[in-house]
Amino acid sequence: AQSVTQLGSHVSVSEGALVLLRCNYSSSVPPYLFWYVQYPNQGLQLLLKYTSAATLVKGINGFEAEFKKSETSFHLTKPSAHMSDAAEYFCAVSPQTGANNLFFGTGTRLTVIP
Amino acid sequence: EAGVAQSPRYKIIEKRQSVAFWCNPISGHATLYWYQQILGQGPKLLIQFQNNGVVDDSQLPKDRFSAERLKGVDSTLKIQPAKLEDSAVYLCASSLVRGREQYFGPGTRLTVT
Repeated sequence: AQSVTQLGSHVSVSEGALVLLRCNYSSSVPPYLFWYVQYPNQGLQLLLKYTSAATLVKGINGFEAEFKKSETSFHLTKPSAHMSDAAEYFCAVSPQTGANNLFFGTGTRLTVIP
Repeated sequence: EAGVAQSPRYKIIEKRQSVAFWCNPISGHATLYWYQQILGQGPKLLIQFQNNGVVDDSQLPKDRFSAERLKGVDSTLKIQPAKLEDSAVYLCASSLVRGREQYFGPGTRLTVT
């Protein structure tokens, strides 16, 4: 079975500070991993995805994530937070075969303090 | 390229009433998904279509929920009768083929009173 755990339902950072959002996955086989962002009253937008190529994945808006198999983690980082980064962030996992359904974590709400 | 369209954006109904949501995926996308997102939770897959066939509906409460994609393009999700716990945002997503990136619509926020 596939699942993800996002540590911290709320994270606050100061503008210009490092953003670190944590995601750990559980999967019996190597999965695909994704980070999505959701702004208020909008759908989800893909930030980045890991599909078993490079372990360090760069996404949009300056975000990146590193796949660490030994730690079963896929944490999302951004060196310098911007006010526009305030949103809900979801980590998701998908098996590489079969129906390829996405299994989402419970989300982390990021607040950026001016 | 137009994104995934959903309507209505908001709906308020009383329990035991019925409701329907509509989704038009990105042109050419063969795979269509319906998700339920309850407040404070991540989206949960309800049903996946490949063209006009159902790939996975294992999480769909079939006693009250139904979905169709008759011509392999747009899709309708229906709830009949609605319960209070159905209050959620219903998201539609599409992908070019299975396993590729999913593009999400803005969602329909349902409130059941």
